[in-house]
Amino acid sequence: GAGVSQSPSNKVTEKGKDVELRCDPISGHTALYWYRQSLGQGLEFLIYFQGNSAPDKSGLPSDRFSAERTGGSVSTLTIQRTQQEDSAVYLCASSLFGISTDTQYFGPGTRLTVL
Amino acid sequence: AQSVTQLDSHVSVSEGTPVLLRCNYSSSYSPSLFWYVQHPNKGLQLLLKYTSAATLVKGINGFEAEFKKSETSFHLTKPSAHMSDAAEYFCVVSDPTSNTGKLIFGQGTTLQVKP
Repeated sequence: GAGVSQSPSNKVTEKGKDVELRCDPISGHTALYWYRQSLGQGLEFLIYFQGNSAPDKSGLPSDRFSAERTGGSVSTLTIQRTQQEDSAVYLCASSLFGISTDTQYFGPGTRLTVL
Repeated sequence: AQSVTQLDSHVSVSEGTPVLLRCNYSSSYSPSLFWYVQHPNKGLQLLLKYTSAATLVKGINGFEAEFKKSETSFHLTKPSAHMSDAAEYFCVVSDPTSNTGKLIFGQGTTLQVKP
């Protein structure tokens, strides 16, 4: 079946511009996660959705970052007024229930470059 | 707080020789532990996971890992390396007391396989 998909695969933007990153999870997965992979920080958790709610936003690095999920499916991560330190690969993952024993399935990522 | 430490940032082996990638975890509770692999320019793929069942866990492509509570370790092994095993490997922990299932990643180990 279809896996997790993300778009765009690459995004180059200028400092100060806003960007939107999209994630399509596996159908039927109630849990959706965003992670960020950067050279300096490794792989770090950003936000967790259960259905359309986000009970854990503890990993969002600043108020420039926001995310939403609609219809219990597609999610969008928005970064406002991008900075060079936002350059990273943004990974989306989904799982059936959002519990610790679940397998999370990852998308291919969106590589964001802020010039 | 949960954490994982991958003891080697880079491991080099010859094709056909055993692979050992070391991981120690820190957890107040019995954690769920995972190994993920990331091939160049590819997404993260689950190799195997431990969720408090059998302590010796077998995964894909001949990999296995043993959960040792007394040593707080979850090392990844493979009897014979193949060129296609060259990739980045991540040891990952999930907190069973969390209601989110979010993953905490180690810093990664780059496996080089020499012909």
